[in-house]
Amino acid sequence: QQQVKQSPQSLIVQKGGISIINCAYENTAFDYFPWYQQFPGKGPALLIAIRPDVSEKKEGRFTISFNKSAKQFSLHIMDSQPGDSATYFCAASQGFGNEKLTFGTGTRLTIIP
Amino acid sequence: DAGVIQSPRHEVTEMGQEVTLRCKPISGHNSLFWYRQTMMRGLELLIYFNNNVPIDDSGMPEDRFSAKMPNASFSTLKIQPSEPRDSAVYFCASFRTGGITGELFFGEGSRLTVL
Repeated sequence: QQQVKQSPQSLIVQKGGISIINCAYENTAFDYFPWYQQFPGKGPALLIAIRPDVSEKKEGRFTISFNKSAKQFSLHIMDSQPGDSATYFCAASQGFGNEKLTFGTGTRLTIIP
Repeated sequence: DAGVIQSPRHEVTEMGQEVTLRCKPISGHNSLFWYRQTMMRGLELLIYFNNNVPIDDSGMPEDRFSAKMPNASFSTLKIQPSEPRDSAVYFCASFRTGGITGELFFGEGSRLTVL
């Protein structure tokens, strides 16, 4: 049973554009929602995370938007750059510090010049 | 600081052979995870340990897979016998309970090809 659904599977965005990746979850007990970024040949690394007490979190060009009632959250990358080309995974867990994350299936993002 | 260290980085083997993947977690981290990544299924949690004890192995696909953590600084994932459908990238990750960021730290992965 997939508990975190991620879309799209792949995404191509022009340099300078906005990249948007969406995730939806089923388990209402989830209360920690991180995004991981993975470059080719590397392991995923934490990019940004949010807890449901806020609806948005911004770090530089990266923003998480969270809709608790819809059980959805999304990653927005503003002014997308070729260096942002990577695979992005959303994830969820019960409780901050609960190490057992459930990952989405990933989105392969390509930024073209 | 050294990150999570995995070996080998690449392994090519023939069907039926035994495969052993190794992982050294970050010092001080008390949880260790084995994930498998494929194009079709993304990142799948196979098993995780807390304080060297296996907590949840429900993701281990079948009895051909086994994992051990004999001490806080070493873990192995073994596949015996290996099959072509086991071809994937296997990641080890570690975590420190009570950490500030809740971040899971991944190694660079072991790419397994079973012919």
